[in-house]
Amino acid sequence: DIQMTQSPSTLSASVGDRVTITCRASQFISNWLAWYQQTPGKAPRLLIYRTSILESGVPSRFSGSGSGTEFTLTISSLQAEDFATYYCQQYNTYFSFGQGTKLEIK
Amino acid sequence: QVQVVQSGPEVKKPGASVKVSCKTSGYTFTSFGISWVRQAPGHGLEWMGWISPYNDNTNYSQKVQGRVTMTTDTSTTTIYMELRSLTSDDTAIYYCGRNRCFGGNCYVDSWGQGTLVTVSS
Repeated sequence: DIQMTQSPSTLSASVGDRVTITCRASQFISNWLAWYQQTPGKAPRLLIYRTSILESGVPSRFSGSGSGTEFTLTISSLQAEDFATYYCQQYNTYFSFGQGTKLEIK
Repeated sequence: QVQVVQSGPEVKKPGASVKVSCKTSGYTFTSFGISWVRQAPGHGLEWMGWISPYNDNTNYSQKVQGRVTMTTDTSTTTIYMELRSLTSDDTAIYYCGRNRCFGGNCYVDSWGQGTLVTVSS
């Protein structure tokens, strides 16, 4: 199984900050990586697929990069609605998710 | 627009089975697979498996293989996930979601609202 490790587990930031979340795969996954956002009591929401392609309707302040085993999600200028938990997911071989990064208000 | 609507919450006793439904609409049912993902209270997301409504092919995670069955009903564009021999470790929110695929590489682009399954004696 491919293990996905996110860091940090928790991130405290303020509105307007630029933040980056890192995701590492235990083996090569090419660019088969997606990012999801989840708010309490809600289903996950697809933000980015194939490492860097923004899903329709997702604000351009979100961006993704990386390849192989190291990937990042960046939010360029945090808005109030961005405080949530973020998950990376590899889909090179079936699915596996990172443990999540909770983005909280500082 | 794509809609994925799941059945309501369930409470089951240990050893019982649960069957959760996932009603889809707004797209060609047989053109997209469906994945099931669960989330235990306060925990992250765990993939359980997927099914192709095109040919009923399934792939299950090793963790639930042998206890889970995913099926489709093309007439009602509904997918079912049955989990047997429930234990308290199966208490979770169960999500279904539509797969978007590039060849054999698929991710979920539309999610159901989730179904809470509680296993308690």
